[in-house]
Amino acid sequence: NAGVTQTPKFRILKIGQSMTLQCTQDMNHNYMYWYRQDPGMGLKLIYYSVGAGITDKGEVPNGYNVSRSTTEDFPLRLELAAPSQTSVYFCASSLPGLAGYNEQFFGPGTRLTVL
Amino acid sequence: GIQVEQSPPDLILQEGANSTLRCNFSDSVNNLQWFHQNPWGQLINLFYIPSGTKQNGRLSATTVATERYSLLYISSSQTTDSGVYFCAVESGYNNNDMRFGAGTRLTVKP
Repeated sequence: NAGVTQTPKFRILKIGQSMTLQCTQDMNHNYMYWYRQDPGMGLKLIYYSVGAGITDKGEVPNGYNVSRSTTEDFPLRLELAAPSQTSVYFCASSLPGLAGYNEQFFGPGTRLTVL
Repeated sequence: GIQVEQSPPDLILQEGANSTLRCNFSDSVNNLQWFHQNPWGQLINLFYIPSGTKQNGRLSATTVATERYSLLYISSSQTTDSGVYFCAVESGYNNNDMRFGAGTRLTVKP
């Protein structure tokens, strides 16, 4: 299994441009998540999905959109990039189980710079 | 939302030394994970430990959920242990919203 994969690894955007960060998992996990990590900080949840067709906001959703049309893919869309969105973006997935088990597994991250 | 505090923020060790990292959280949790973020930015799962004690080689972790803290022990530290260690918790009242602490930056010197 490749686990959780993310593309691209790096990207530089100009203010106002749009882009989609791709995330794919091959573990048949039904839960998927997007986080951002600002320098020197922990990760913050942007959006999550508990299954195809279902998405919900996390702690910092403003400026982002997501969709979940398949179990495997969970793309994150930035419509009008702003310097405040310069960050490292991590995708994660999990397969909740008995007794509240919900261990999350993370992709390698996408480093985004908005100039 | 739930608050997560990690201590110490920075830790410098000589190779071979032992250390204890602490994670305090403000409310009941369903899930707790410890991660190591290596110098290349990769997040590595260390432990999934909402309660109890687990060991994996030189690392072990204990979570006392009733007292709202978790400890990560690193024994006989190696230079490859350097990086940032994060504790992350999922509130018992708000599932799927995992909150991270600010991390402990560990530097192990040869």
